[in-house]
Amino acid sequence: KNEVEQSPQNLTAQEGEFITINCSYSVGISALHWLQQHPGGGIVSLFMLSSGKKKHGRLIATINIQEKHSSLHITASHPRDSAVYICAVIQGAQKLVFGQGTRLTINP
Amino acid sequence: GAGVSQSPRYKVAKRGQDVALRCDPISGHVSLFWYQQALGQGPEFLTYFQNEAQLDKSGLPSDRFFAERPEGSVSTLKIQRTQQEDSAVYLCASYAGRNSYNEQFFGPGTRLTVL
Repeated sequence: KNEVEQSPQNLTAQEGEFITINCSYSVGISALHWLQQHPGGGIVSLFMLSSGKKKHGRLIATINIQEKHSSLHITASHPRDSAVYICAVIQGAQKLVFGQGTRLTINP
Repeated sequence: GAGVSQSPRYKVAKRGQDVALRCDPISGHVSLFWYQQALGQGPEFLTYFQNEAQLDKSGLPSDRFFAERPEGSVSTLKIQRTQQEDSAVYLCASYAGRNSYNEQFFGPGTRLTVL
């Protein structure tokens, strides 16, 4: 069993829909990243959080440390949101452990 | 530079060939990571440097993999006698501090294909 599990693995939705991607982890962590990866490999950090909730534009990330679960939400989704979204947890002071990613496709 | 750069962006190697992948981190960033990302999977940790010191190399899959950062800036990941299972995207990331509580900045990756 992977230490970081994401669901769903693939998600296709229509423009405007509310999107939720889930991340569960089984190890102790100090914080969690949500990352976005576009075709061609470039990875961008969207959020880093260790408790509660963060919002940036149409993106919202939440984390429940007790339940070892985090969610990434996208409101009013747009085709340009199409990408792979990766959850990564920070173990100790440095090491990132990644989920397998969720491939999101938003159709116009 | 403005961001993390990696070269080459694409590398095709014949099985058994040695390859060297370069990472130029953001200037002044103390910490540097190498990750391996197989097709359709999330990245996996390979090794970590703090300045020139390689503090963790537990993710290197075999002794054919070797990484260095001799002057604490540019890093090179070398793979000797490449095998088909080495085909992957190799990502480099850097950040300013000594722990991961700061944002990591990722390079575009080097896609290695071993024939």
